Amino acid sequence: SHELTQPPSVSVSPGQTASISCSGDKLGDKYASWYQQKPGQSPVLVIYQNSKRPSGIPERFSGSNSGNTATLTISGTQAMDEADYYCQAWDISAFVFGTGTKVTVL
Amino acid sequence: VLLVESGGGLVQAGGSLRLSCTASGFTFRSHWMSWVRQAPGKGLEWVADINEDGSVKNYVDSVEGRLTISRDNAKDSLYLQMSSLRAEDTAIYYCARHLIGYITFDIWGQGTMVTVSS
Repeated sequence: SHELTQPPSVSVSPGQTASISCSGDKLGDKYASWYQQKPGQSPVLVIYQNSKRPSGIPERFSGSNSGNTATLTISGTQAMDEADYYCQAWDISAFVFGTGTKVTVL
Repeated sequence: VLLVESGGGLVQAGGSLRLSCTASGFTFRSHWMSWVRQAPGKGLEWVADINEDGSVKNYVDSVEGRLTISRDNAKDSLYLQMSSLRAEDTAIYYCARHLIGYITFDIWGQGTMVTVSS
């Protein structure tokens, strides 16, 4: 089965850029999505089809996908962006989520 | 646009439970739907999905034959029949709407907790 690996944690200072990687075999040949989950809340879609932002998601969230790695970038990170982030792809009739990354805004 | 899950609770290992998800604010019959779960303190795991008319269903290997997804478009409802439950099925179960034309989940419910005691 397809596996997606993320770093367990990423720390960023307010106003700086946070980058979260998601690695998987030939991930660049698939579409990646990203979800934000704050403690005690349901996940929220922040990026789909590698780089599209749903309505209502701030422009500071962007995404890319190439080779074996998809990346979520948060530019000008704010305290409210502190959360867990999960990548997701689809492979052979099954959805796969990444291992998750906790973003801490110091 | 809202998804509301219900039916979670405490059940003994080997027991059964039926989860429901009621949709509102959109045309339910036009969307694939999924169940996604999250064990306490763990990450997200996709469980199953179902197409618009219920004729196509897919499952993660670990639940195949024990969990059954279904839907009733007349009632705008999604279901997950759970049987032969194991301790490792303990999780929050979310229903999630597929964004039409994309392989992604754009709307999530608040989740319902299932605890399987051994």
